[in-house]
Amino acid sequence: GQNIDQPTEMTATEGAIVQINCTYQTSGFNGLFWYQQHAGEAPTFLSYNVLDGLEEKGRFSSFLSRSKGYSYLLLKELQMKDSASYLCAVRDSNQGGKLIFGQGTELSVKP
Amino acid sequence: ETGVTQTPRHLVMGMTNKKSLKCEQHLGHNAMYWYKQSAKKPLELMFVYSLEERVENNSVPSRFSPECPNSSHLFLHLHTLQPEDSALYLCASSQDVGHGNTIYFGEGSWLTVV
Repeated sequence: GQNIDQPTEMTATEGAIVQINCTYQTSGFNGLFWYQQHAGEAPTFLSYNVLDGLEEKGRFSSFLSRSKGYSYLLLKELQMKDSASYLCAVRDSNQGGKLIFGQGTELSVKP
Repeated sequence: ETGVTQTPRHLVMGMTNKKSLKCEQHLGHNAMYWYKQSAKKPLELMFVYSLEERVENNSVPSRFSPECPNSSHLFLHLHTLQPEDSALYLCASSQDVGHGNTIYFGEGSWLTVV
């Protein structure tokens, strides 16, 4: 089966750096996605990792270690608008490429 | 604007009603999906369509009935729902089903069953 774990809630300060971790167990790993979802809005795509290492995209970076079943999303220079839920999702090739989601991490950015 | 449009955004229905959710994607994608998002729970995949053919039905009760008349449109027909079916229903699309394809979501339809 599959299991994806991420913290339920995190709080950080405006201007700071925050790291949101995601661990997963899946039989046919074929890529990991991070999505951002503001309350009442659609999840929006942030990043995709399929090989080990760091992918940087502006203030956001995502890291993957396949051997450890671990990823993190790093947000730098936090802004109030970064307050949202961050969803980790893993694609499982043994299930037709289905995308399995974690429950999401609710990030609150304080002034 | 994600390129995936859902209507209605909010729906309140009784347990004996029949209603439908509509989704349209303007991205030229071949695959479309229905997901359910309940409070404090992970997104749950309900149905997957690839080129108008259903390729996955994730043990969803028959009171939810999907329809995909073409690759740009997807419906979710609802009948005799239960209060526990109240949730956010998200439509999504991707170029194709499978690895490497990013899924793009619509803004969702908030469903309340009374």
